[in-house]
Amino acid sequence: QVQLVESGGGVVQPGGSLRLSCAASGFTFSNYGMHWVRQAPGKGLEWVAFIRYDGSNKYYADSVKGRFTISRDNSKNTLYVQMNSLRAEDTAVYYCAKEIPDLYNYYYLDVWGKGTTVTVSS
Amino acid sequence: EIVMTQSPATLSVSPGERATLSCRASQSVGSNLAWYQQKPGQAPRLLIYGASTRVIGIPVRFSGSGFGTEFTLTISRLQSEDFVVYYCQPYNNWPPRYTFGQGTKLEIK
Repeated sequence: QVQLVESGGGVVQPGGSLRLSCAASGFTFSNYGMHWVRQAPGKGLEWVAFIRYDGSNKYYADSVKGRFTISRDNSKNTLYVQMNSLRAEDTAVYYCAKEIPDLYNYYYLDVWGKGTTVTVSS
Repeated sequence: EIVMTQSPATLSVSPGERATLSCRASQSVGSNLAWYQQKPGQAPRLLIYGASTRVIGIPVRFSGSGFGTEFTLTISRLQSEDFVVYYCQPYNNWPPRYTFGQGTKLEIK
C-alpha cells in the first residue's frame, strides 16, 4: 500500500541544522509532487514546502524561505528537507505528504506520513 | 494568500447527533477544498476533496458541501471516534502556497 515514512528528527540547538527524509513506497514516486507540512505542539497545520515530481520547481512558505531546502532523489524514492539556521519556532512535527490531481488537475494532499519530531532548544 | 476561517473553534455535540463544521475562505476557491481529520498523535487523514467527494473508505456519515467561499463538513450519527480535530484546506493555488484553517475540535457534549 502507499506509505510515507519520515525520519531524521531530533533535538537541535538554535542556529543548528537538520535533514529530514521521507521514504516513499507503494506508488511511482517520480510521478508525484511532494510537500512538507509541519505542526507545532498544540497548534494547527502549516504548509512548509513543495517540490514538483521531477524536482524542477520548489516553493516555500515565507517562514522558512532561505533557511530550508526541499529536494528529492527519485532513484531512491526519497524526499528530503534540509533545515538550516533553526529557530525555536521551527519546533514541530514534520509530515511529508503526497499530492494527487483531482478531475480538474488541481492538486490535493491524499497521503501523509506519520511525521518526525524536531525540537529546537538549547 | 487565501485565509481560511473555521467555525466554531470547538463544537460540543452528543454521540448519535449530527455535527456541522464550517469553513470560510477569504476569496473564492471554487470547489477546490479538502477536509482532513486528525486524531491525537496521528497524521491528518484526508476525508473529502473537491468540496464534496468522499475518499474511498471514509464512512458515508461524512459529507461535504459548498462552493466558492463557504463550505460545510457534516458528520451525521456521531460515533466516539469522530470526536477529534478537523481541518479544511483550499488547493487551487499556483504556485502552491497551501494554507489550512485553524481547525475545529469536535468534543463530546
